[in-house]
Amino acid sequence: QVQLQESGPGLVKPSETLSLTCTVSGGPISSSGYYWGWIRQSPGKGLEWIGSIYFSGSTYYNPSLKSRVTISVDTSKKQFSLKLTSVSAADTAVYYCARQTYYYSSGSLGYMDVWGKGITVTVSS
Amino acid sequence: EIVLTQSPGTLSLSPGERATLSCRASQTVSSDYFAWYQQKPGQAPRLLIYGASSRATGISDRFSGSGSGTDFTLTISRLEPEDFAVYYCQQYVSSPLTFGPGTKVHI
Repeated sequence: QVQLQESGPGLVKPSETLSLTCTVSGGPISSSGYYWGWIRQSPGKGLEWIGSIYFSGSTYYNPSLKSRVTISVDTSKKQFSLKLTSVSAADTAVYYCARQTYYYSSGSLGYMDVWGKGITVTVSS
Repeated sequence: EIVLTQSPGTLSLSPGERATLSCRASQTVSSDYFAWYQQKPGQAPRLLIYGASSRATGISDRFSGSGSGTDFTLTISRLEPEDFAVYYCQQYVSSPLTFGPGTKVHI
């Protein structure tokens, strides 16, 4: 079955860029009907959807983070990545990657049916 | 943005009892676009219910979802020890996708 694994630095300095990668195993990343998303969880804000990407590169972003977020995909490596710029303490969270369904009929993102285990990222000098 | 409110915040129950968790949306949500997740300490959320009432693969039939419009419910018919966790609702009818703050079910 499909499994996801997040990787990247666990500590990022304020004002710098947070970069994380999610590796997909056990199934294709170039799978129609699925987007690949990033979600974070912090004590203060709960679960927050960051954004999602299709294997073709089409993206959706949360408007609250859109100015600082870039999600990209490398199908040859079966990976997708998150970059979050100008981080502050408010970006300290557990970051999850997830597989997300997609509804072609409505052009809508769907639920997350497979999740990675998560990676803790702390923003501190 | 659709805001989801869950109640109660905490539910104290015993194994074998029935749990009823509620989620209210600030705007109408099509039942096709509503999900519930379970999260245990130190673990990622796990999909339980999608489309408001469809159980995800491998999920026990003790879990059931219902609702429409702005009010949705997750029911756990007979609590097992492994069911004590935090439960989140989610809407995916409109962007940004949003989650509720969670209901903690504990003994």
